[in-house]
Amino acid sequence: EPEVTQTPSHQVTQMGQEVILRCVPISNHLYFYWYRQILGQKVEFLVSFYNNEISEKSEIFDDQFSVERPDGSNFTLKIRSTKLEDSAMYFCASSDLYEQYFGPGTRLTVT
Amino acid sequence: DQQVKQNSPSLSVQEGRISILNCDYTNSMFDYFLWYKKYPAEGPTFLISISSIKDKNEDGRFTVFLNKSAKHLSLHIVPSQPGDSAVYFCAASAISSSNTGKLIFGQGTTLQVKP
Repeated sequence: EPEVTQTPSHQVTQMGQEVILRCVPISNHLYFYWYRQILGQKVEFLVSFYNNEISEKSEIFDDQFSVERPDGSNFTLKIRSTKLEDSAMYFCASSDLYEQYFGPGTRLTVT
Repeated sequence: DQQVKQNSPSLSVQEGRISILNCDYTNSMFDYFLWYKKYPAEGPTFLISISSIKDKNEDGRFTVFLNKSAKHLSLHIVPSQPGDSAVYFCAASAISSSNTGKLIFGQGTTLQVKP
């Protein structure tokens, strides 16, 4: 069964460093998303991506964040200068219509 | 932002009995609702969904009921099994008014099914 994959599973970085989180969506899906879940809080929408451009972004998704689909399979989330409050689980999701399928997540720890 | 609320943080049921998880929403633009199940250290797994044009959708042991006038939905699991023990998230989307498919999640309910 096709699934969304994410790498790395855990990333530890120092405050101010850049990180790139990687995702391989399900191959025939057209819509791609990033969500995050800070420990003990809700899963929050960050950004949606369709047809090689951002279709919607949340207030959280400020200038420090960017997304890219560099080739036909990968979908990346870059955080340019990480802050302590960026520590969270980051989930990638993809869909072909309404149901979104999530990857296992990347745990980002900013020290 | 409390557009989607799951007021019960936890629920414990006996194996074989029915589990009922509840979810309320405030945004009347929401027209598509989904339930996800999540184990620790894993991503949310899609379970079942319902469009606002329906009031019930069933898939095996899982049934979702939607009461639009009350802005309330529920997930019924029957019979409950120990493997159903997980965190269950309700999520909503405004499909008709937005083509992005953004999901708004509730806080989650931790279900424990006791053998």
